Amino acid sequence: GAVVSQHPSWVICKSGTSVKIECRSLDFQATTMFWYRQFPKQSLMLMATSNEGSKATYEQGVEKDKFLINHASLTLSTLTVTSAHPEDSSFYICSARWDRDSSPLHFGNGTRLTVT
Amino acid sequence: AQSVTQLDSQVPVFEEAPVELRCNYSSSVSVYLFWYVQYPNQGLQLLLKYLSGSTLVKGINGFEAEFNKSQTSFHLRKPSVHISDTAEYFCAVSDHPRAGGSYIPTFGRGTSLIVHP
Repeated sequence: GAVVSQHPSWVICKSGTSVKIECRSLDFQATTMFWYRQFPKQSLMLMATSNEGSKATYEQGVEKDKFLINHASLTLSTLTVTSAHPEDSSFYICSARWDRDSSPLHFGNGTRLTVT
Repeated sequence: AQSVTQLDSQVPVFEEAPVELRCNYSSSVSVYLFWYVQYPNQGLQLLLKYLSGSTLVKGINGFEAEFNKSQTSFHLRKPSVHISDTAEYFCAVSDHPRAGGSYIPTFGRGTSLIVHP
């Protein structure tokens, strides 16, 4: 149980284009979803927290207009990297949690984004 | 504010040997503690969690961890490792939120467990 599906698993795009990453909780309702960015050999950097039906809460230093997060339903959140640049190349991971804050996070398998 | 320290960035060990991955946290209140494992190019998978009750927690793949409140530690152990345990391990802590807030877990920098044949 508690499966989170993240698509695509990898994507290559040209500089200036936008890329959308989907995160779905397949067998539970995710009241909260988290988006992380991970650099090679480093820990996870929290980008934003989103609750269904409300605006995402972004961490300090994360550009809201560049990393658009939508949490339209209890099972789907999307991250859109707008006007991507090579420095946006990274591993992006989503995670979802159901109603209790003591619940562990369930992670997607991540998306490797390469901007050329 | 909570913080998590994983002092060992890399732990090499031979197959079938025991291993301990250290995790210390700083928080002035009660916490929830988690260990996750990440295999290359994948997301994180929950190994085990401590919410309350018994301080010795058993998880998947033969791992266990012990919560020590006085030492603010939550070290991960396995009595005999396999080659397949080679991965990155992350400790995470969530402490009780401020009024109206949400638990947002903080992750340690990770420990790379390398199991040699």
